[in-house]
Amino acid sequence: AQKITQTQPGMFVQEKEAVTLDCTYDTSDQSYGLFWYKQPSSGEMIFLIYQGSYDEQNATEGRYSLNFQKARKSANLVISASQLGDSAMYFCAMREGNTGNQFYFGTGTSLTVIP
Amino acid sequence: DTEVTQTPKHLVMGMTNKKSLKCEQHMGHRAMYWYKQKAKKPPELMFVYSYEKLSINESVPSRFSPECPNSSLLNLHLHALQPEDSALYLCASSHYRAGSYNSPLHFGNGTRLTVT
Repeated sequence: AQKITQTQPGMFVQEKEAVTLDCTYDTSDQSYGLFWYKQPSSGEMIFLIYQGSYDEQNATEGRYSLNFQKARKSANLVISASQLGDSAMYFCAMREGNTGNQFYFGTGTSLTVIP
Repeated sequence: DTEVTQTPKHLVMGMTNKKSLKCEQHMGHRAMYWYKQKAKKPPELMFVYSYEKLSINESVPSRFSPECPNSSLLNLHLHALQPEDSALYLCASSHYRAGSYNSPLHFGNGTRLTVT
């Protein structure tokens, strides 16, 4: 079974609007971390935001927030006030407490911001 | 600025060449990773070093040979590659200790490799 599922291969959003990128995960561990990365066309993988399995509050980092619904095993990324520079691939990832160094990545969502 | 430095940024090599990719980090991380990534795909794990010892090898062909000389450096030696090995090669590092599931991967900018 897939550990991380991203069901939106491509998304479009109007500049200045908000957009939600979906991510669901599968784990039997109690301790795990969820991460979102942005990859522009230049190739670098940029760490955006982290949510821990024990965190009761949704994580926020500037215009990025993570909508964490533990019972549904979802960790959706919300980008507010989209900018042209937000156009990129976005990957959701998970690190489990029991498997140490392993990170599991989703297949990614390609976001295009339209002027 | 990235805290994980990879060199070179671009590399073109023939199928008979030998080359090396280099990665350096000074964040005190004791886990270092090599990933291979094709366009519009997620990164694929190749190798993981924990405390300078190879802990994960994802059945990577022997034409790729990793090396971790010390806690800050990671190399990937390339020999007799095939055109299908052309990809973006990403190095990353992370903390490795009890409870480090909250520690993200920090990536370098990658090496774009073309095998001719």
